[in-house]
Amino acid sequence: DIVMTQSPDSLAVSLGERATIDCKSSQSVLYSSNNKHNLAWFQQKPGQPPKLLISWASTRESGVPDRFTGSGSGTDFTLTISSLQAEDVAVYYCQQYYSTPYTFGQGTKLEIK
Amino acid sequence: QVQLQESGPGLVKPSETLSLTCTVSGDSISNGDYYWSWIRQPPGRGLEWIGYIYYSGSTYYNPSLRHRITISLDTSKNHFSLNLTSVTAADTAFYFCAREALGGRIDPWGQGTLVTVSS
Repeated sequence: DIVMTQSPDSLAVSLGERATIDCKSSQSVLYSSNNKHNLAWFQQKPGQPPKLLISWASTRESGVPDRFTGSGSGTDFTLTISSLQAEDVAVYYCQQYYSTPYTFGQGTKLEIK
Repeated sequence: QVQLQESGPGLVKPSETLSLTCTVSGDSISNGDYYWSWIRQPPGRGLEWIGYIYYSGSTYYNPSLRHRITISLDTSKNHFSLNLTSVTAADTAFYFCAREALGGRIDPWGQGTLVTVSS
């Protein structure tokens, strides 16, 4: 199985400041046929299911604010929130869909400082 | 708008079988562009992908659960189901159903249902 490791486990950022979450995969998730990374980012708020924010490592889903940006390649990926808003408080997960069984990172809890 | 809704018992006794159904609206589970998936999350913990079924009936199960899982579908009712046998307290979790694109994107998800394994 591909192991996904996120850092940090928790993060406190002031409103309006930048938040950065890293995700590392134990092997490449680059799909050679389309040259895209099979890497997604989810946001989960209490009592809700995960919400898909970003797919293919950097493609923002429809309706997701542009303050959310996914980047990275190979085995190292980053989710950046450029200017933290109160509604961004949540747990964030990365997930690889390169090979089954699909696997998730352990989650990063984002709070307001 | 595609919506998924899980249903089933919230309490299952140890060693018995957990059975859940996911009813899909706004799309057909016969749509060949998607898999229909189950994911679970123990309370306060991370996400574990359980497996999926394709409209043809083909399935893929997480090897960690393979010997206890069956995922099936009923196209006439537009729903798919999860059976997990011989449950223990470790199977206590929120169970989510979701639609998974053939490329692997998992979206949308159902609201989830909490299943507690306890005598």
